[in-house]
Amino acid sequence: KAGVTQTPRYLIKTRGQQVTLSCSPISGHRSVSWYQQTPGQGLQFLFEYFSETQRNKGNFPGRFSGRQFSNSRSEMNVSTLELGDSALYLCASSLPPASGTGGNEKLFFGSGTQLSVL
Amino acid sequence: EDQVTQSPEALRLQEGESSSLNCSYTVSGLRGLFWYRQDPGKGPEFLFTLYSAGEEKEKERLKATLTKKESFLHITAPKPEDSATYLCAVLTSAPYNFNKFYFGSGTKLNVKP
Repeated sequence: KAGVTQTPRYLIKTRGQQVTLSCSPISGHRSVSWYQQTPGQGLQFLFEYFSETQRNKGNFPGRFSGRQFSNSRSEMNVSTLELGDSALYLCASSLPPASGTGGNEKLFFGSGTQLSVL
Repeated sequence: EDQVTQSPEALRLQEGESSSLNCSYTVSGLRGLFWYRQDPGKGPEFLFTLYSAGEEKEKERLKATLTKKESFLHITAPKPEDSATYLCAVLTSAPYNFNKFYFGSGTKLNVKP
């Protein structure tokens, strides 16, 4: 079974540009979450999508947005890039939790997209 | 405020030298505590989920335990291939939380042969 696929693997952009990152979840997984990982802040939650709907979002500015398609693939977009946006962006997919048990929320991560903003 | 703290930040062990990593958490309500392993250039890989105080899980040389305030990842007789960054993450019981995990900053483990 193929894992979570993220493209591109590396990106170099300049301040003010915008960028779109792509994520293909594991087949059958309908929940896709995005996280930002930096050396100083660790992993921070960006947002989560299920059935094309954003169900939760973290404390990031509106420059960070995302969407999910009917095939569960997801994209995230960052507009007006800033130097501080340089990070590893990780996508994770999961099955929906079993009712009342909290199970099945374990995340399956892709290898990430390393974004460098110059 | 929900918070997850891991210690130590880095740990160097000789092969065979057992030790423990700590993850302390302050959350309004715990739904689950998760341990992940992250190798350089890769995304985190799931290891364990713990749901209630007193619960323990084992996998090869790793054993995770949970109390009401912290979790430990015990590594018994580690090998160089256990070198990685170990992350803990908490999922709170807040409604509509949908996969909003709070991650610790990780412990970077280096096992020397």
